Amino acid sequence: SQQGEEDPQALSIQEGENATMNCSYKTSINNLQWYRQNSGRGLVHLILIRSNEREKHSGRLRVTLDTSKKSSSLLITASRAADTASYCCATVYGNKLVFGAGTILRVKS
Amino acid sequence: DVKVTQSSRYLVKRTGEKVFLECVQDMDHENMFWYRQDPGLGLRLIYFSYDVKMKEKGDIPEGYSVSREKKERFSLILESASTNQTSMYLCASSPGQGFQPQHFGDGTRLSIL
Repeated sequence: SQQGEEDPQALSIQEGENATMNCSYKTSINNLQWYRQNSGRGLVHLILIRSNEREKHSGRLRVTLDTSKKSSSLLITASRAADTASYCCATVYGNKLVFGAGTILRVKS
Repeated sequence: DVKVTQSSRYLVKRTGEKVFLECVQDMDHENMFWYRQDPGLGLRLIYFSYDVKMKEKGDIPEGYSVSREKKERFSLILESASTNQTSMYLCASSPGQGFQPQHFGDGTRLSIL
């Protein structure tokens, strides 16, 4: 079974709105990573947040981590059409990095 | 800039053929990975390698093998291709220890007819 699972599976918003995606995981983690994938392309790493961090920012991206709830959220502020992509989280499970199925974000202009 | 290059974006092969997917990274990374991606599922790890000539099975190694003769190159081999191996294959690399972020190629969309 997957270590990380994203919610919602799909999200459709208007340009300029904020988009929030959530990730839940099952076991204790060292770090949690968020990736983006444009259609037909490889994954691109966005942010890594360590287990002792609660929040991290990168440009219009904000990631939070709640280890007590075993969950993380990715917030994209002031979304743009170019943010349309799939976003997934990845956590360590055993000796591997395990990726969730992702949230498909569509930003309408 | 970091670069992971997969030899083909699209590939069509026939059942029973031996298929080679090549991946090259220019970042001197120790770790390299092969995943397959199917609709609605997260990436599934096929094989990975932490060093030259070293390989470890991932979650779905059946029907696949790998080769890592040089640090920068990691090859995935489908010994006898079957239709259920039709998928998107992604190669990735990462540095050293500690589950650092992985850098991905653009993928090979493989169709087995």
